[in-house]
Amino acid sequence: NAGVTQTPKFQVLKTGQSMTLQCAQDMNHEYMSWYRQDPGMGLRLIHYSVGAGITDQGEVPNGYNVSRSTTEDFPLRLLSAAPSQTSVYFCASSSPGIRELFFGEGSRLTVL
Amino acid sequence: AQSVTQPDIHITVSEGASLELRCNYSYGATPYLFWYVQSPGQGLQLLLKYFSGDTLVQGIKGFEAEFKRSQSSFNLRKPSVHWSDAAEYFCAVGKMDSSYKLIFGSGTRLLVRP
Repeated sequence: NAGVTQTPKFQVLKTGQSMTLQCAQDMNHEYMSWYRQDPGMGLRLIHYSVGAGITDQGEVPNGYNVSRSTTEDFPLRLLSAAPSQTSVYFCASSSPGIRELFFGEGSRLTVL
Repeated sequence: AQSVTQPDIHITVSEGASLELRCNYSYGATPYLFWYVQSPGQGLQLLLKYFSGDTLVQGIKGFEAEFKRSQSSFNLRKPSVHWSDAAEYFCAVGKMDSSYKLIFGSGTRLLVRP
């Protein structure tokens, strides 16, 4: 039971570099989302998708891009990393009727 | 504005003692309510959820929570804490409809004294 898989688990970037955080789910869930977790702030929604080809912004979308070309995958792209993007990132998925989010184990990103 | 407040940043209890973690929310309609637990270096695991019906909800690992509409609260309780319960706990509200967006509280870190 893989569930929601995130890669990489750890990444260090320099300011201005780009990278992609990968998220894949094998549960055929329509809904996928990205959250970031910062100390004292809980989790905040970055972007979400309700199906292949459909994405929308969450609470803190600036500096991040997403796309959803398949049901299984929902990558998060940082085009020009900034120290303010140092955080732990969580991908989550769900489907109608399930009524809960399933989370990956997180990706810890440090931007120097 | 929609929000979730967890007023306690840290709570320390002795092993075997009872536990209550507070959660208050502000939401336009009757929300779906959740408690998640995060062990160090791990993802989030769902403890329990409330949608409707009985306001006392039982979850995994011996946890329960009570929805009180008049107080806009959804406090998490456990009668006897185990050392393995040391973790961070997040309350969340949202609507599990087409948006599936959850609003999280800032979390409460539970420390357990032996």
